[in-house]
Amino acid sequence: NAGVTQTPKFRILKIGQSMTLQCTQDMNHNYMYWYRQDPGMGLKLIYYSVGAGITDKGEVPNGYNVSRSTTEDFPLRLELAAPSQTSVYFCASSPRGRFQPQHFGDGTRLSIL
Amino acid sequence: GESVGLHLPTLSVQEGDNSIINCAYSNSASDYFIWYKQESGKGPQFIIDIRSNMDKRQGQRVTVLLNKTVKHLSLQIAATQPGDSAVYFCAERIDTGFQKLVFGTGTRLLVSP
Repeated sequence: NAGVTQTPKFRILKIGQSMTLQCTQDMNHNYMYWYRQDPGMGLKLIYYSVGAGITDKGEVPNGYNVSRSTTEDFPLRLELAAPSQTSVYFCASSPRGRFQPQHFGDGTRLSIL
Repeated sequence: GESVGLHLPTLSVQEGDNSIINCAYSNSASDYFIWYKQESGKGPQFIIDIRSNMDKRQGQRVTVLLNKTVKHLSLQIAATQPGDSAVYFCAERIDTGFQKLVFGTGTRLLVSP
């Protein structure tokens, strides 16, 4: 059982470029999330989704977009990369329910130069 | 949890010691708490959780204690091993009608053989 899979693991972008971070889960979880983690800081929620076709903004959505066309996939799009978006990005998923832990992928380390 | 910037608090222990990692949470209305372990280059890994109607929960070599009076959570690791070396952080679920978690910044545990 692979759990939550994120690709790529590492990427370097130039300012102004765009890219999509991929996330897929094979646990049939309804809920999915995107976080960013800056050095020494807690995880910050970018976007989340409660099911296919439904997405909503988290704490730090500016500069990002998401879509959820299937239960399994939740890609994160950066349209115009900026140095402030240099971070480690984590995707997570959880089952529907009030007391369910989130399960994380191993992250994408992104540098914007 | 509050941001502590770039420098994580560090707990250094000897192999075989018991470790206690503490977390102050922010919202008295939080009803669910999770401890995660994060190894270098990996995503957060679920360790143990506890609901607000409990004050103690035990797992394999780990115990979580919840003190709602002072909004304090602790993780106890028995017979700490070198493989326990990682960053540990707590997360609280604030009841917003959706399972959003707020994450602390973490404590680095260093275990010496």
